[in-house]
Amino acid sequence: EIVLTQSPGTLSLSPGERATLSCRASQSVNNNYLAWYQQKLGQTPRLLIYDASSRATGIPDRFSGSVSGTDFSLTISRLEPEDFAVYYCQQYSSSPWTFGQGTKVEV
Amino acid sequence: QVQLVQSGAEVRKPGASVKVSCKTSGYTFTNYFLHWVRQAPGQGLEWVGVVNPSLGTTTNAQNLQGRVTLTRDTSTSTVYMELSSLRSEDTAIYYCARVIRYNGHFDYWGQGTLVTVSP
Repeated sequence: EIVLTQSPGTLSLSPGERATLSCRASQSVNNNYLAWYQQKLGQTPRLLIYDASSRATGIPDRFSGSVSGTDFSLTISRLEPEDFAVYYCQQYSSSPWTFGQGTKVEV
Repeated sequence: QVQLVQSGAEVRKPGASVKVSCKTSGYTFTNYFLHWVRQAPGQGLEWVGVVNPSLGTTTNAQNLQGRVTLTRDTSTSTVYMELSSLRSEDTAIYYCARVIRYNGHFDYWGQGTLVTVSP
């Protein structure tokens, strides 16, 4: 099983600042099959990034994903008020599909 | 437009079973795998299992093996998740989510179904 470890657990920032979220995999994620989801309180998760760096349809370009080996990152270039939420990474390269524990981005 | 519409909230006693449905529309049902993911109150996301709507084959999370059954009905484009021998720790929101291929990201999600297990 691929274990995903997200850091930090909580990120305290202000609107307009840059956010960098990390997701480290315990082993290689084939084809960089990793996605990032945003979840606001009481809402369904929303796909932001897939295949490590491809933006999903309708996602603003302030969201970007990158990878270096088994280290994946989600960057929000300038935080908007609506970006304060919990973010999860997820690998889909091998079963069982696994999620990170989440990073909360708060004001 | 693609829609995944799940059945309503359920309350069960420990030891009972629950069956949650996910009715799909707006795309060819048999062309996309459907996963189930759950989220306990205040917790993160946990993968439950996946069903191939075309063949009916399934893969489940090891920790739920023997208690979870995933099925589909191609005539109504609906998938089902049944969880038996319910425990309090099964209390969670259960989501269905679509993927374009076996190793695919979840592009569309159902609205979630809250299952509460309580004496």
